[in-house]
Amino acid sequence: EAGVAQSPRYKIIEKRQSVAFWCNPISGHATLYWYQQILGQGPKLLIQFQNNGVVDDSQLPKDRFSAERLKGVDSTLKIQPAKLEDSAVYLCASSFGLAGNEQFFGPGTRLTVL
Amino acid sequence: KQEVTQIPAALSVPEGENLVLNCSFTDSAIYNLQWFRQDPGKGLTSLLLIQSSQREQTSGRLNASLDKSSGRSTLYIAASQPGDSATYLCASGGSNYKLTFGKGTLLTVNP
Repeated sequence: EAGVAQSPRYKIIEKRQSVAFWCNPISGHATLYWYQQILGQGPKLLIQFQNNGVVDDSQLPKDRFSAERLKGVDSTLKIQPAKLEDSAVYLCASSFGLAGNEQFFGPGTRLTVL
Repeated sequence: KQEVTQIPAALSVPEGENLVLNCSFTDSAIYNLQWFRQDPGKGLTSLLLIQSSQREQTSGRLNASLDKSSGRSTLYIAASQPGDSATYLCASGGSNYKLTFGKGTLLTVNP
């Protein structure tokens, strides 16, 4: 069974530039999550989708971050414009459903903002 | 607001030793508790998932327990090996099954 795929694996940009990350969840998984992990911290949930609807985006900085999950499969997370404090690893995860299901994580995208 | 704390922040043990990693959470109204392993520069690998109705789960040399009333979970690793060296994260599943993570315990197993 293929795992959660993410690209790119690494990205370096200047502040005020824009960047986009892509995630392809495990086939059949209805729920998709985007997390931000700052060095030395645990991951923090940014946004959670159930199929193509948003379940929770309470911690997403909506003035600069946006995410979509068209057709309920792949998802993209965008930052525009980026700030220095956005330097982090962005992790995508998926689960079969919501009810207590195990979450499976992708390898992450390491973003460095200079 | 749920807060998850992991103690110790770092642990170094000789190969073969049994060890316990601790995780505590402030809100006992959780749906599940999940333990993950993270290798440097990698994503998270799920180790064990304990539903709120369960007391423990076992997989190979790993055993995780859950005590909701006291807000605690432990991860027991038997006969540790150098390949177990990694950061171990626990996460509580709350409303909407959103995971709240601790900062992790960095484990080093010395040959």
